[in-house]
Amino acid sequence: RKEVEQDPGPFNVPEGATVAFNCTYSNSASQSFFWYRQDCRKEPKLLMSVYSSGNEDGRFTAQLNRASQYISLLIRDSKLSDSATYLCVVSPYNQGGKLIFGQGTELSVKP
Amino acid sequence: DAEITQSPRHKITETGRQVTLACHQTWNHNNMFWYRQDLGHGLRLIHYSYGVHDTNKGEVSDGYSVSRSNTEDLPLTLESAASSQTSVYFCASTPGTYNEQFFGPGTRLTVL
Repeated sequence: RKEVEQDPGPFNVPEGATVAFNCTYSNSASQSFFWYRQDCRKEPKLLMSVYSSGNEDGRFTAQLNRASQYISLLIRDSKLSDSATYLCVVSPYNQGGKLIFGQGTELSVKP
Repeated sequence: DAEITQSPRHKITETGRQVTLACHQTWNHNNMFWYRQDLGHGLRLIHYSYGVHDTNKGEVSDGYSVSRSNTEDLPLTLESAASSQTSVYFCASTPGTYNEQFFGPGTRLTVL
């Protein structure tokens, strides 16, 4: 079983749609959680950290459920510029700050 | 502005040659990491360092080495390049143990 699992997609949605990505992780001792965005094999860039109480940044909302070891990302009012691969990333408490990456979920927003 | 750079951006080499990929950051971060990214595998950790003269193996370290002689640089060396090492390589740095990592632009390496 992979340490971080995501639905690879692709998710094809029209502009303005709401789309949700899910992610599960296997290490219950995980300490920090992130969503990164990656465009066309460019470098990954932090989209947002994920906090236990859930957090929102504009059109993006992240949720964490530690009991279920589940992370989600909700994108509202999708834009063409949101087309990218979204990486679920976990930092386990007992692994010295290393990041464990999911394989990513590809999103394509169409006009 | 502080940044993280990688060079070269593209490299073609032959099987058996030694190759070194450079990574340089100007944030004065102690923690630096090397990843490779391949279709179907996502980002996988090769080596990492928590400070000068510290190096550690990641999950796919065979055939690779790193050295950390100063805070700014973590060069990655392929001792004898193999076709299986054709990949995109990303370097990253972070100021702390559980902070986000900042990635360089990547090096696309082809081993023929």
